[in-house]
Amino acid sequence: SQKIEQNSEALNIQEGKTATLTCNYTNYSPAYLQWYRQDPGRGPVFLLLIRENEKEKRKERLKVTFDTTLKQSLFHITASQPADSATYLCALVTDSNYQLIWGAGTKLIIKP
Amino acid sequence: DAGITQSPRYKITETGRQVTLMCHQTWSHSYMFWYRQDLGHGLRLIYYSAAADITDKGEVPDGYVVSRSKTENFPLTLESATRSQTSVYFCASSEPQGARYTQYFGPGTRLTVL
Repeated sequence: SQKIEQNSEALNIQEGKTATLTCNYTNYSPAYLQWYRQDPGRGPVFLLLIRENEKEKRKERLKVTFDTTLKQSLFHITASQPADSATYLCALVTDSNYQLIWGAGTKLIIKP
Repeated sequence: DAGITQSPRYKITETGRQVTLMCHQTWSHSYMFWYRQDLGHGLRLIYYSAAADITDKGEVPDGYVVSRSKTENFPLTLESATRSQTSVYFCASSEPQGARYTQYFGPGTRLTVL
């Protein structure tokens, strides 16, 4: 069956360190992979998009990698801050349609 | 205000009642989506719409009805609410030609069915 998996356990990181979140997928050939941030009581907010032919994308303290061989994307936050605490969702877009296929998200907690 | 809004933000209803959740966007995005989000699950697509008067089922459409007579509005109706429909509902919009399917979400409606 088709799956997209994110670590369901919360990730606790010390402030200032790099946080790395994982998104694994099976049985898809995504054209794009997106990362969103969701704060409690709010809707997801788009952060970054990476295309299948891109290895890495950066935006300020954020970095996303995309390995189509491993079927995995990694999301990094460098110099993490308590304000980065949130749930991070990954989503795939396949060429066959415009719908997003969502992971369940990983809760990130940055401790001061 | 520009953006995507949902109403009500919170709703408590009883089993068997009809409930309508509203969604309004000001961007004139062609695509709109309704999701539900439950603990332990990712966002699950209920219905989507590619344009006014064009709607289609998503992953979990049973018990829901949508309409889209105007581009900016996409209401979701629970015809006869059940306890299993207790959830947080998110509306989203997207303009595929622009930002490659990036979706923009409303603040959500927390629905409790007693």
